[in-house]
Amino acid sequence: SQQGEEDPQALSIQEGENATMNCSYKTSINNLQWYRQNSGRGLVHLILIRSNEREKHSGRLRVTLDTSKKSSSLLITASRAADTASYFCATDHGNNRLAFGKGNQVVVIP
Amino acid sequence: KAGVTQTPRYLIKTRGQQVTLSCSPISGHRSVSWYQQTPGQGLQFLFEYFSETQRNKGNFPGRFSGRQFSNSRSEMNVSTLELGDSALYLCASSTGESSGNTIYFGEGSWLTVV
Repeated sequence: SQQGEEDPQALSIQEGENATMNCSYKTSINNLQWYRQNSGRGLVHLILIRSNEREKHSGRLRVTLDTSKKSSSLLITASRAADTASYFCATDHGNNRLAFGKGNQVVVIP
Repeated sequence: KAGVTQTPRYLIKTRGQQVTLSCSPISGHRSVSWYQQTPGQGLQFLFEYFSETQRNKGNFPGRFSGRQFSNSRSEMNVSTLELGDSALYLCASSTGESSGNTIYFGEGSWLTVV
């Protein structure tokens, strides 16, 4: 199965700034889901965006999907120290089987 | 509503032993899947069960197996443990009736093989 690939791998920003992460994939998808993982913890679901959707919002999070470019982006606005975590995109090609990217490490400096 | 519950959270095993990990999905969810997370390989899909049937299987050796019970609870077993099996094992659940459902993860079980 194809894996999503996030870019960049690591991001360090000041509190209050915006953080943007990108994810690309190779084959068509049913949906794409973004997750957050704090060190040593499980995955927290952030947003699911379906293949027929272009943009979704949830609080300070904005996700876009461009199926023609096979890419997605996650924007965190007005970042907080608590946003420090790893962020993963995962593509669903069917049958509830997710293919994950390698993740983005985001550090928000207070 | 309780989330996905995994037990145990931490365990240490010796090479050659076997281990069983348990997962209770969110109430009402019938799909349970398992993932392995390591620093080198990242997050990799192990298998997925729906209504006690394995629907999908990843590229792992036969030492990795699982099952699902009638109450949707699931267990995964790793036999003849190797050092490389040290990882965070994550269980996830969804309604599973069709693709496109939100998939929720538990806190994981940290396995260390020594």
